[in-house]
Amino acid sequence: AQRVTQPEKLLSVFKGAPVELKCNYSYSGSPELFWYVQYSRQRLQLLLRHISRESIKGFTADLNKGETSFHLKKPFAQEEDSAMYYCALRRTSGSRLTFGEGTQLTVNP
Amino acid sequence: GAGVSQSPSNKVTEKGKDVELRCDPISGHTALYWYRQSLGQGLEFLIYFQGNSAPDKSGLPSDRFSAERTGGSVSTLTIQRTQQEDSAVYLCASSLVTGGSGNTIYFGEGSWLTVV
Repeated sequence: AQRVTQPEKLLSVFKGAPVELKCNYSYSGSPELFWYVQYSRQRLQLLLRHISRESIKGFTADLNKGETSFHLKKPFAQEEDSAMYYCALRRTSGSRLTFGEGTQLTVNP
Repeated sequence: GAGVSQSPSNKVTEKGKDVELRCDPISGHTALYWYRQSLGQGLEFLIYFQGNSAPDKSGLPSDRFSAERTGGSVSTLTIQRTQQEDSAVYLCASSLVTGGSGNTIYFGEGSWLTVV
């Protein structure tokens, strides 16, 4: 069975500081990894996925198969980045997303 | 429609009553998912549909929970004899095709259920 772990429930940084939200997964195959974000009073939305290798809102995430990690990084955090972030995994042959428990990021002025 | 639509957005019900939660997926999306978001519990998978069939019901927590989908579109999640531990936000999501690489799963705003 697949599992996603986000070790930090809460993360607080100052504006302009680098931020890294950790995500580790366990799955024997080759999964698809995603980061979803939920801003206050808004719906859950896709931030980025590993297959796209893109940078969204300054965030990047690299899939490290050796360490089974998919950490989310941003070099200079902004106050508008404050939100709940969920890491998620989908088996290539399956369909549903398996989510981590989420990390609440607060960027202080 | 523009996005996944859920109703009601908020529902307060008495313990023991039945509730129905509705989901309208994005037009043309064949895959539909139900999740539950509880405080401190993260996002818990409940069930997914491919068309009108539900190949994976493994996340339904008890036989009080059921879901159906008709016409390959609207889905209803029914909770019978509600309990206080059923209080949560119930999220619906949809995507074009299940299991396809790159198919984004889009979420609705959720139905907030409170059982008193």
